[in-house]
Amino acid sequence: DTAVSQTPKYLVTQMGNDKSIKCEQNLGHDTMYWYKQDSKKFLKIMFSYNNKELIINETVPNRFSPKSPDKAHLNLHINSLELGDSAVYFCASSSTSGRETQYFGPGTRLLVL
Amino acid sequence: GEDVEQSLFLSVREGDSSVINCTYTDSSSTYLYWYKQEPGAGLQLLTYIFSNMDMKQDQRLTVLLNKKDKHLSLRIADTQTGDSAIYFCAETLPSSGSARQLTFGSGTQLTVLP
Repeated sequence: DTAVSQTPKYLVTQMGNDKSIKCEQNLGHDTMYWYKQDSKKFLKIMFSYNNKELIINETVPNRFSPKSPDKAHLNLHINSLELGDSAVYFCASSSTSGRETQYFGPGTRLLVL
Repeated sequence: GEDVEQSLFLSVREGDSSVINCTYTDSSSTYLYWYKQEPGAGLQLLTYIFSNMDMKQDQRLTVLLNKKDKHLSLRIADTQTGDSAIYFCAETLPSSGSARQLTFGSGTQLTVLP
């Protein structure tokens, strides 16, 4: 009965590799988000999709490419991983009807060596 | 977040009240939120307040909003060791299309001492 789930929970990889993080929500929401939390716990929005359409695209390197196959899924693909990409990546979802409160997944801890 | 500021650390004794403060700069904020993050975990929504409200109470939690000073606070009554976590305040900015962007503060690490 998990609301917002992410896989994997931990990801350790070498510099230069390509990796993907998956997110799924079963709340019936129409908007999904990716946030990055750095080592100082600072959280910043990266992307947002509404009904599979890209709505928010903050200043993020082109190596990051989100993909939303349907309203319940938002994946994040990262090419040519760099040391500075090490962070915790959080997925969130909300509904455009009502308060639009965002509910967060458990996070994916990415470590690039 | 340079637009949302919080003090980094707060220590209280178990059973005391905790007050976590937050200031924000965007007067067009519609909702303001408090999220809790326990070690190694995701963000848990604690409570929120709409910008036309001054106060909201939810069990041990009291949120106060001073729109004139752009100041938000979270009071936790009878603080317990399980309340030890990082507390983030966040504001929603005017929507960009049909998505609302959350801007987070830096988080306040609350430590509850026995």
